[in-house]
Amino acid sequence: EAGVAQSPRYKIIEKRQSVAFWCNPISGHATLYWYQQILGQGPKLLIQFQNNGVVDDSQLPKDRFSAERLKGVDSTLKIQPAKLEDSAVYLCASSRDRNTGELFFGEGSRLTVL
Amino acid sequence: GENVEQHPSTLSVQEGDSAVIKCTYSDSASNYFPWYKQELGKGPQLIIDIRSNVGEKKDQRIAVTLNKTAKHFSLHITETQPEDSAVYFCAASTSYSSASKIIFGSGTRLSIRP
Repeated sequence: EAGVAQSPRYKIIEKRQSVAFWCNPISGHATLYWYQQILGQGPKLLIQFQNNGVVDDSQLPKDRFSAERLKGVDSTLKIQPAKLEDSAVYLCASSRDRNTGELFFGEGSRLTVL
Repeated sequence: GENVEQHPSTLSVQEGDSAVIKCTYSDSASNYFPWYKQELGKGPQLIIDIRSNVGEKKDQRIAVTLNKTAKHFSLHITETQPEDSAVYFCAASTSYSSASKIIFGSGTRLSIRP
C-alpha cells in the first residue's frame, strides 16, 4: 500500500511570496489533515477534511493560509503572502475515516521563508 | 484547552539500556494517548497507543503506562537498539474517534550510543 505522498519536499521563498504544497493521501482514506511542525515542536493541526468538506479549520490563519480538497482525494495547502514565522515543515496525514485515531503521515514539505 | 508537556527534550542512552520518556496532560477528559516516532526526514509514525480504561500496554520492547489520577503517562523502551534513535512525540486526545482532537507534546530526541 502506497503511503501519503507530498510535494515539494523543500521550498525556499522570500517573505510576501506565495507557495503551494500538494498531498495525495493513502487510497481510500476519507479524512485528510494538514499539520504545521515548527522546529523543535510537535505537529499542530491546521485543517481537517472529511472527503471534500472541512471538518475543523479553527487553527488555520485564514488571512494567509488556504486549503482545498477537490473531489475528496488530493489536497493543496497555499500560503499567500508568506511570513518569516511560516518557516516550518508542513505535514499531510490521512486516516481511514474521522472515527479512527491513527494518523498516517507523509514525509512533509520543508518551507524556509527568507 | 488541552496542554501536553513532555520530558526530557533530549535523551542519550547506552545501547541495550532502557529509555523512559514522560508526559503530563492538563485536560482530565483526555482518554486516548498515542505515541509517535519520527525518524530524520520522515513523518511521525504511530508506535503504540493506550486508552484511559487501561493502565499499561506492552508491545515487544515498548510499553506505555498511564496514571489518570496524576494525569501523566510514560513510554518505556527496553533493550534499546540503534534503530530506536529518533524523535518521540506523546499526544493526548479527548476523543479516540477524532484525530483532530489530538494535541502533541514537544518531542524527545532519543540517541542510542553504541
